Amino acid sequence: EAGVTQFPSHSVIEKGQTVTLRCDPISGHDNLYWYRRVMGKEIKFLLHFVKESKQDESGMPNNRFLAERTGGTYSTLKVQPAELEDSGVYFCASQPGLAGKRQETQYFGPGTRLLVL
Amino acid sequence: AQTVTQSQPEMSVQEAETVTLSCTYDTSESDYYLFWYKQPPSRQMILVIRQEAYKQQNATENRFSVNFQKAAKSFSLKISDSQLGDPAMYFCAYRSARGVVQGAQKLVFGQGTRLTINP
Repeated sequence: EAGVTQFPSHSVIEKGQTVTLRCDPISGHDNLYWYRRVMGKEIKFLLHFVKESKQDESGMPNNRFLAERTGGTYSTLKVQPAELEDSGVYFCASQPGLAGKRQETQYFGPGTRLLVL
Repeated sequence: AQTVTQSQPEMSVQEAETVTLSCTYDTSESDYYLFWYKQPPSRQMILVIRQEAYKQQNATENRFSVNFQKAAKSFSLKISDSQLGDPAMYFCAYRSARGVVQGAQKLVFGQGTRLTINP
């Protein structure tokens, strides 16, 4: 079974440009999460999709960030326009459906390293 | 809001020895999960071990075990017989057990501890 994949693995852009990150979850996983780790700090939650719906987007930093999950499969996270403080590692995680199950694990992708110059 | 604190930015251990990574957390909830994740260099993060707060018995997975002290809100990870494949960033994480309530499924992470092995 393929794991969670993310593309690109690295991205270097200039301030003001646009970048789109992609996450492909494990097939059949209804839940998809985005997290971000800024250099040297803790990993922070950005948002949570259940299928194609945004369940929780309380962690999105501002309106320069737009996440989509069309059709409930892969997800994209677009940053427009990028700022210096957006640099970090963006992780995606997927999880099976939660109904009736307490112990579902989140499976992480390798992350996308974003550097904004 | 819940918080997780890992007070050791870096730890080092001799090969075959035992090391303990510290984690404390703060929550007003009584039912929750605690996790240790491992991220090797340039590789993806994987789950090492998981503990449910309502279980008194400490979780164990091969060489990895935890010391869960619910009253003290402490959740340390012990790695026995350290091996050359163990170097990684180790993250402690918390998740509510409030089911499908909005916001309950997200993981709250600590800052991470970088573990290195001395051959």
